[in-house]
Amino acid sequence: QQQVKQSPQSLIVQKGGISIINCAYENTAFDYFPWYQQFPGKGPALLIAIRPDVSEKKEGRFTISFNKSAKQFSLHIMDSQPGDSATYFCAAVPYSGAGSYQLTFGKGTKLSVIP
Amino acid sequence: DTAVSQTPKYLVTQMGNDKSIKCEQNLGHDTMYWYKQDSKKFLKIMFSYNNKELIINETVPNRFSPKSPDKAHLNLHINSLELGDSAVYFCASSQGDGRDEAFFGQGTRLTVV
Repeated sequence: QQQVKQSPQSLIVQKGGISIINCAYENTAFDYFPWYQQFPGKGPALLIAIRPDVSEKKEGRFTISFNKSAKQFSLHIMDSQPGDSATYFCAAVPYSGAGSYQLTFGKGTKLSVIP
Repeated sequence: DTAVSQTPKYLVTQMGNDKSIKCEQNLGHDTMYWYKQDSKKFLKIMFSYNNKELIINETVPNRFSPKSPDKAHLNLHINSLELGDSAVYFCASSQGDGRDEAFFGQGTRLTVV
């Protein structure tokens, strides 16, 4: 059972363009939605995260948009750069219970930014 | 100074062997995790410990046994290795539960031949 669905699986964007990755979830107990970035041979690293009390969060070129009623959230990378080429994972965590001690990840999106 | 360190980085072993992966964090975090990343890059929780107590034990074969001697260490022992165990295993830690930033180690690439 995949609790967080992520699309697309891969994405090719020209330098300077906007990269958009989408995620959807079913579990209404989720209340924390981070995005992790992973470079080849490295562990994932937190990029940006949002909680459902806000609809958008921006950090530099990275923005999360959150739609609670649709149970969807997305990552926008503005002015995409070749250095952004990596695999991006959305994730979700419920607000309580044993399940709050794990990240439930989407299947990942491999982003390639071409010069 | 590495925040979450795993050893070894690479592990090649034969089927049927027993092996261990060690993990240490110097962040003072209360919670530690083991995640498995398969060949398709899918990340799945295996175990999580909070203050040395097991919180999450996903549907992982009994051949996998975590051990947390103290809050800073979470080791993973695997008995009777099988071909399907080949994957990258990541250790991670966070201050509180999963709603705090998780810091991941560099991973251990396990290849069973």
